[in-house]
Amino acid sequence: DVVVTQTPLSSPITLGQPAFISCRSSQSLVHSNGITYLSWLQKRPGQPLRLLIYKISNRFSGVPDRFSGSGAGTDFTLKISRVEAEDVGIYYCMQATHSPITFGQGTRLEIK
Amino acid sequence: EVQLVESGGALVQPGGSLRLSCAASGFTFSSHAMHWVRQAPGKGLEYVSAISRNGGTTYYANSVKGRFTISRDNSRNALFLQMGSLRVEDMAVYYCARDSEYGEDYWGQGTLVTVSS
Repeated sequence: DVVVTQTPLSSPITLGQPAFISCRSSQSLVHSNGITYLSWLQKRPGQPLRLLIYKISNRFSGVPDRFSGSGAGTDFTLKISRVEAEDVGIYYCMQATHSPITFGQGTRLEIK
Repeated sequence: EVQLVESGGALVQPGGSLRLSCAASGFTFSSHAMHWVRQAPGKGLEYVSAISRNGGTTYYANSVKGRFTISRDNSRNALFLQMGSLRVEDMAVYYCARDSEYGEDYWGQGTLVTVSS
């Protein structure tokens, strides 16, 4: 199975400051069709998992533009340009290029 | 509004069985493949199973193959996971998720399965 490793596992951030979460895979996530199926999910307390970013850098419906994704191959980054209080939660990267789908361990974002 | 509501989680003894359900609303259920993903206490997310739009194709993680069965009833907008020969390591919150061109785009709140004697 593809191993997906997130760093950091915990990230205390000051409100209004940027946050960066890294995701690295054990093999390239470029599918044979040329598409990279790397997504970012958010889990806020008491809320269902929420899709933020799909195919590396595409924001899902309703996701604020302070969230952005980048990367290629095996290295990917989620950036929150200015952290807000409602962003507290756990963030997961997920790859669906290779079967089975696998997830990063999760990064806990908290306010400093 | 897309909604997915899981139910059926309970306390069950090792070796027992349980059937989870996921009630879907707010979209054309039969147009989407569906997934089950679980999260054990203090652990990460683990992919469990998937089913195609018409139910004709299914996928199982090696950890549950032969013990779990995924199914769906498109007339009732419902997804199911029949779990058998349950083990302590199956204890987790089980989530259903909708598949789309964007990936797993909507998720339920989850239902807790506890396996303990």
